[in-house]
Amino acid sequence: QQQVKQSPQSLIVQKGGIPIINCAYENTAFDYFPWYQQFPGKGPALLIAIRPDVSEKKEGRFTISFNKSAKQFSLHIMDSQPGDSATYFCAASLNSNSGYALNFGKGTSLLVTP
Amino acid sequence: DGGITQSPKYLFRKEGQNVTLSCEQNLNHDAMYWYRQDPGQGLRLIYYSQIVNDFQKGDIAEGYSVSREKKESFPLTVTSAQKNPTAFYLCASRQGFGELFFGEGSRLTVL
Repeated sequence: QQQVKQSPQSLIVQKGGIPIINCAYENTAFDYFPWYQQFPGKGPALLIAIRPDVSEKKEGRFTISFNKSAKQFSLHIMDSQPGDSATYFCAASLNSNSGYALNFGKGTSLLVTP
Repeated sequence: DGGITQSPKYLFRKEGQNVTLSCEQNLNHDAMYWYRQDPGQGLRLIYYSQIVNDFQKGDIAEGYSVSREKKESFPLTVTSAQKNPTAFYLCASRQGFGELFFGEGSRLTVL
């Protein structure tokens, strides 16, 4: 079953807008929540990550908001640019013998128009 | 430069054939992973390995096999038992709780 649910499936914003992508998880033992960015034909690359002891993390124009009680986290992209057009994946990881494998959401295809 | 190299980038297979996808990393990472990506399905875990000569099945291991004879290498074989093998395959590696690094992927198409 899908352990991490991501929405929306696709998103179109104008340049300068603030796209928001949301993820929800069920397993309260998850303790690492990264976001990955993927361009067509390429492998995903880590964008930003958060652990559950903080509620927000910013790196440049990218911000993760984390709500532990609601078991939700989201990615905000400030002042979005056409170069941000890509597919974004949220993920969660469990601290156990699972080999630290990440459980990924289904992805959000973002298009930023000029 | 350190990284993960996957080959080939594109591969075509006839039905009934086994194919092997190569994955090599020079990051000195202990753990290696294979994910399958299909449109709208996200990344699904096929197999992973935490140490040499040991590996575990992921969520969709049926029809696939792996080996881990060397720390830097984790090849994936797509067997004829895999009913729908056309997909984008991603190899990744990680050290402990650090960043998961991905290769550039291999696109397999069954003719």
